[in-house]
Amino acid sequence: GAVVSQHPSWVICKSGTSVKIECRSLDFQATTMFWYRQFPKQSLMLMATSNEGSKATYEQGVEKDKFLINHASLTLSTLTVTSAHPEDSSFYICSVSSGAVGTDTQYFGPGTRLTVL
Amino acid sequence: AQSVTQLDSQVPVFEEAPVELRCNYSSSVSVYLFWYVQYPNQGLQLLLKYLSGSTLVKGINGFEAEFNKSQTSFHLRKPSVHISDTAEYFCAVSGAGTASKLTFGTGTRLQVTL
Repeated sequence: GAVVSQHPSWVICKSGTSVKIECRSLDFQATTMFWYRQFPKQSLMLMATSNEGSKATYEQGVEKDKFLINHASLTLSTLTVTSAHPEDSSFYICSVSSGAVGTDTQYFGPGTRLTVL
Repeated sequence: AQSVTQLDSQVPVFEEAPVELRCNYSSSVSVYLFWYVQYPNQGLQLLLKYLSGSTLVKGINGFEAEFNKSQTSFHLRKPSVHISDTAEYFCAVSGAGTASKLTFGTGTRLQVTL
């Protein structure tokens, strides 16, 4: 399967600042990446689908102006949490899709723990 | 649209005992089914997947799952668990096709004790 990394693995920031999280596909060219958030002891909630070279598709209820997604290359997608507030504290996980017809599988990064003070 | 139900939020089991984690899904289209495991403060690791073909799927770490279309289930089983299997297990479904979105269940916490 694909190897996915995220940076940073954890970050603490002050309320009102912006934080950028990187998701890299290390051994696979990913035209599609997904961003999820996970609250403690809960399941993953899909935030958006990131497509290389085009605008991300956001799920209902996710503020696109707050969670900026850029997928500028086939190996890198970034999620920027703008003007972060304590309620944005969460575990953010990205995944890449193999995208191959008939073998569609997502491979996940290790996640980024964001704590907003 | 698809949905996934994992009825058991927690499953306690003794080491070396068998375990079954239940997963039911609903969908109006053909589906792909997945089981992922998450260890504390880590991302998700793919255990196994069903795309087509044989309904009994074998995965890593001795886990297997059986796709039952009539019962819309994809239960995960292991004949003998180890302490190291303690983790959160997520069942997920996607509509069959390229880069389809995953819908996750709420997860089952498997707690293995001596």
